[in-house]
Amino acid sequence: DQQVKQNSPSLSVQEGRISILNCDYTNSMFDYFLWYKKYPAEGPTFLISISSIKDKNEDGRFTVFLNKSAKHLSLHIVPSQPGDSAVYFCAASARTSGTYKYIFGTGTRLKVLA
Amino acid sequence: SAVISQKPSRDICQRGTSLTIQCQVDSQVTMMFWYRQQPGQSLTLIATANQGSEATYESGFVIDKFPISRPNLTFSTLTVSNMSPEDSSIYLCSVEYLPSASGRSYNEQFFGPGTRLTVL
Repeated sequence: DQQVKQNSPSLSVQEGRISILNCDYTNSMFDYFLWYKKYPAEGPTFLISISSIKDKNEDGRFTVFLNKSAKHLSLHIVPSQPGDSAVYFCAASARTSGTYKYIFGTGTRLKVLA
Repeated sequence: SAVISQKPSRDICQRGTSLTIQCQVDSQVTMMFWYRQQPGQSLTLIATANQGSEATYESGFVIDKFPISRPNLTFSTLTVSNMSPEDSSIYLCSVEYLPSASGRSYNEQFFGPGTRLTVL
């Protein structure tokens, strides 16, 4: 039972354009969502998060949108840069339930073409 | 953010042997976790390492296979016991701090660089 899904295993975008990575979840108890970036041979690096009381959070070139009714979140990267090429994981947690456990999606490999 | 180191960074092991992976953090943390990422798969939580008590294991993971120690607030070990090729994976520790003085209720977890294990 995959509670967090990233249905696009890969995505290619031209440098300077917008990258949109999508994530769907099934558990309505999730109330905290995060995006991580992972380069080969490194651990995941935290990018941006959003709690369920918000529908948007922005940090520089990165914006996360949350649509609770659709159980969907997306990460927008504008403008995309070649250094953004990595695997992106979304993760979800049910913090108000008292758990610190993260459930991760399977990742989307982003390739930004110069 | 935390500075997290893991040893070894990679290893190749024979079937039936055991490997202990160390995770060291540069400051005291509230929570420490161990994850596994099998080839082409997502990150899966193995267990929460509890300081001074037994780890809390997720469904599908047991203490006999993955014994964990956490003797203090900056260090933990994960042992992969009686290994088989199916244990070939990247093993990652992660940490989380207490909420900051700013009043943030939620915190992100920081990950170590991972240990790439290959079992022949």
